[in-house]
Amino acid sequence: NAGVTQTPKFQVLKTGQSMTLQCAQDMNHEYMSWYRQDPGMGLRLIHYSVGAGITDQGEVPNGYNVSRSTTEDFPLRLLSAAPSQTSVYFCASSVQGYTEAFFGQGTRLTVV
Amino acid sequence: AQKITQTQPGMFVQEKEAVTLDCTYDTSDQSYGLFWYKQPSSGEMIFLIYQGSYDEQNATEGRYSLNFQKARKSANLVISASQLGDSAMYFCAMRGGSNAGGTSYGKLTFGQGTILTVHP
Repeated sequence: NAGVTQTPKFQVLKTGQSMTLQCAQDMNHEYMSWYRQDPGMGLRLIHYSVGAGITDQGEVPNGYNVSRSTTEDFPLRLLSAAPSQTSVYFCASSVQGYTEAFFGQGTRLTVV
Repeated sequence: AQKITQTQPGMFVQEKEAVTLDCTYDTSDQSYGLFWYKQPSSGEMIFLIYQGSYDEQNATEGRYSLNFQKARKSANLVISASQLGDSAMYFCAMRGGSNAGGTSYGKLTFGQGTILTVHP
């Protein structure tokens, strides 16, 4: 019973490098989303998806890309990493409607 | 646009006492859902309780209850009989209604969080 799986758990990048944070869920959830958590700012929505092939921007989308080719996977791409993207990233999924979101364990990203 | 405000950066409570964590929200949606999550020092996000905007009764889940006052747009979390393991960050969040494209159900808006410390 895996739930929401994020990889990697920790990552250090150099400024300008690109990488993909992986997120997979095995609960057949339609909704998936990416958040970043910074001290004192709560969780801020980066991008979200309401189904395969449908994505939309959240509050802080700049510097990030997403795609949703399958129900299970929702990768987050950092195009050219910047120190401002140092954060903890959470992926979440949920079924339709006003239901709770299930979160992955988080990825701690440091950009130097 | 949706907004969640948690005005208490930190709260302290004695073990076995009750504590209320404040949450106010702003939305123009008629239909929405309100959530509370707990984040212990280990970092995972744990769902605690949910309240729908049309629910007439306040939600309860064990020692957690949600004091929902729709007219005041508040959704305070009440933890009864606090335990040392309740020490954590607590987030209030909202899932709102539909935008023109029908996608806004997919996102949660979070408050800044309240750090709760339970003293023995």
